[in-house]
Amino acid sequence: DIQMTQSPSSLSASVGDRVTITCRASQSISSYLNWYQQKPGKAPKLLIYAASSLQSGVPSRFSGSGSGTDFTLTITSLQPEDFATYYCQQSYSIPRTFGQGTKVEIK
Amino acid sequence: EVQLVESGGGLVQPGGSLTLSCAASGFTFSNYWMNWVRQAPGKGLEWVANIKQDGSEKYYVDSVKGRFTISRDNAKNSLYLQMNSLRAEDTAVYYCARDQGVTKYFQYWGQGTLVTVSS
Repeated sequence: DIQMTQSPSSLSASVGDRVTITCRASQSISSYLNWYQQKPGKAPKLLIYAASSLQSGVPSRFSGSGSGTDFTLTITSLQPEDFATYYCQQSYSIPRTFGQGTKVEIK
Repeated sequence: EVQLVESGGGLVQPGGSLTLSCAASGFTFSNYWMNWVRQAPGKGLEWVANIKQDGSEKYYVDSVKGRFTISRDNAKNSLYLQMNSLRAEDTAVYYCARDQGVTKYFQYWGQGTLVTVSS
């Protein structure tokens, strides 16, 4: 199974900050990497697919990069509605493993 | 509008069984792979199983193999998860999610249904 490791597990940031979350796969997954945002009590929401493609309707302050084993989700100017937990997920092979999540909290 | 609506969750004793359903609408259900993803209370997301458009291929995470069965009824636009020999560690919110695109991301999710395994 491919293991997905996110860092950090949590972070505190202020509105307007630039935030970077990293995700590392235990083996190459090409660009089969997706990012989701989840708020308490809600289903996850797709932000980025295929490592760097922005899902329709998602603000442009979100961006993704990387290929192979190392990936990054960047929020260029954190907004109040961005405080949530973020998950990476590989869709290269079964099982479709998720990272453990990164909780973005208000500083 | 694409909608996925899960049902069938509830409280069940260890060793018991439960069947979850996911009613799909707003798209041609028979054209898509479908998935179940779960989330234990306060924990992260875990992919559970998926099924091919015609039901001919099914895959499971190791922790549920031999206990859970994924199935679908394309005539009823419905996805199912039959869960047997339930354990406390199966307690979670269960989501159905639709595959999308060549890289198979989950664009659409249901709202989830809670399964609690406890005596």
